[in-house]
Amino acid sequence: GQQLNQSPQSMFIQEGEDVSMNCTSSSIFNTWLWYKQDPGEGPVLLIALYKAGELTSNGRLTAQFGITRKDSFLNISASIPSDVGIYFCAGQSAGGTSYGKLTFGQGTILTVHP
Amino acid sequence: DAGITQSPRHKVTETGTPVTLRCHQTENHRYMYWYRQDPGHGLRLIHYSYGVKDTDKGEVSDGYSVSRSKTEDFLLTLESATSSQTSVYFCAISLTGAGNTIYFGEGSWLTVV
Repeated sequence: GQQLNQSPQSMFIQEGEDVSMNCTSSSIFNTWLWYKQDPGEGPVLLIALYKAGELTSNGRLTAQFGITRKDSFLNISASIPSDVGIYFCAGQSAGGTSYGKLTFGQGTILTVHP
Repeated sequence: DAGITQSPRHKVTETGTPVTLRCHQTENHRYMYWYRQDPGHGLRLIHYSYGVKDTDKGEVSDGYSVSRSKTEDFLLTLESATSSQTSVYFCAISLTGAGNTIYFGEGSWLTVV
């Protein structure tokens, strides 16, 4: 089946630093999504990308849909303590039989030191 | 709040016992999903539903069954729980199936001893 490789697995950074994480796939996706999960909660959507090459921002977050459609990255600028959590990439195939199914990366655990 | 309620939120059960997790939505969304989350694996799809009585298997469906007799409820059943099914289970809903309309519940923590 489809697999997503997300890296790095964990990051320990100082407040104010920029963060970058990425996902690569063995298959093509038509949609890339980035989620954040806080402890004890479900994932919450941060950014959705729909076209190859698309670059989208949401506040301090920027994500890009790779031109090969097999990769995506997420950048967080000027990190703050509340950025702590697990970040997941997810890919979604298009088409009538996809039914919205998502394939997730393994997650990046982000720790921000004040 | 995406109108999703999972129950129970926490459960400890013994190996070999049946367990049912319930996902209830108030949004009248067509699509519903069950994922499990384990360290190092992210979230993996167990089963999904694209309408009442319409369900199909996901990536890790062995040992699980589902039922959807009405729009608002999607039940996940472990017929005979095993220790490998100790996990956090998340329900998700979507109106259209498009990525930006998928919302997750708060999770159900299941421990099989």
